[in-house]
Amino acid sequence: GNSVTQMEGPVTLSEEAFLTINCTYTATGYPSLFWYVQYPGEGLQLLLKATKADDKGSNKGFEATYRKETTSFHLEKGSVQVSDSAVYFCALSDKATGNQFYFGTGTSLTVIP
Amino acid sequence: NAGVTQTPKFRILKIGQSMTLQCTQDMNHNYMYWYRQDPGMGLKLIYYSVGAGITDKGEVPNGYNVSRSTTEDFPLRLELAAPSQTSVYFCASSPQLDGNEQFFGPGTRLTVL
Repeated sequence: GNSVTQMEGPVTLSEEAFLTINCTYTATGYPSLFWYVQYPGEGLQLLLKATKADDKGSNKGFEATYRKETTSFHLEKGSVQVSDSAVYFCALSDKATGNQFYFGTGTSLTVIP
Repeated sequence: NAGVTQTPKFRILKIGQSMTLQCTQDMNHNYMYWYRQDPGMGLKLIYYSVGAGITDKGEVPNGYNVSRSTTEDFPLRLELAAPSQTSVYFCASSPQLDGNEQFFGPGTRLTVL
């Protein structure tokens, strides 16, 4: 079946530190992969996505590369800011299962000045 | 565009009461979804719809019902509220199935006492 496993949090970093949040997946077909961000009290917002192997998604300084050989989609940012404090969700959608979305459990990030 | 809107934002129910969570989108998306988010558990799909008049069960449908009489609206009904239904509920919509993102509403926080 389909599933997403995310690095457990919470993660606390100092401003300008390097961020990596690990995400691995299991899928029956050829999934599209997503990172969503949830700020306190709000719904989820798409951060970036990749629809095929070796694609790199990027947005707001965040990047993630679709690695089929390691079934991974790790999120990275070179220099985090206080405003990046949020919960980050890795997700996949798979055409083989009606393109339903499967979400990881989320990783809470706090960036301190 | 308002995007995806949900009402109410907060609600407290007594065990056995019923209520309807409203969801409306103004983006003319065919596909709509209901999720629940429990602490540390990520998002679980309750029901989804691929168009007006068509709905299907997700991962955790028990205790809920949906209808989709128009493209815009996708209400979620709780008939006999139970404490296990205490959660945050998110509605989402998507323009198509094939690898496209889902757009989320702000959520409804429901407590059943």
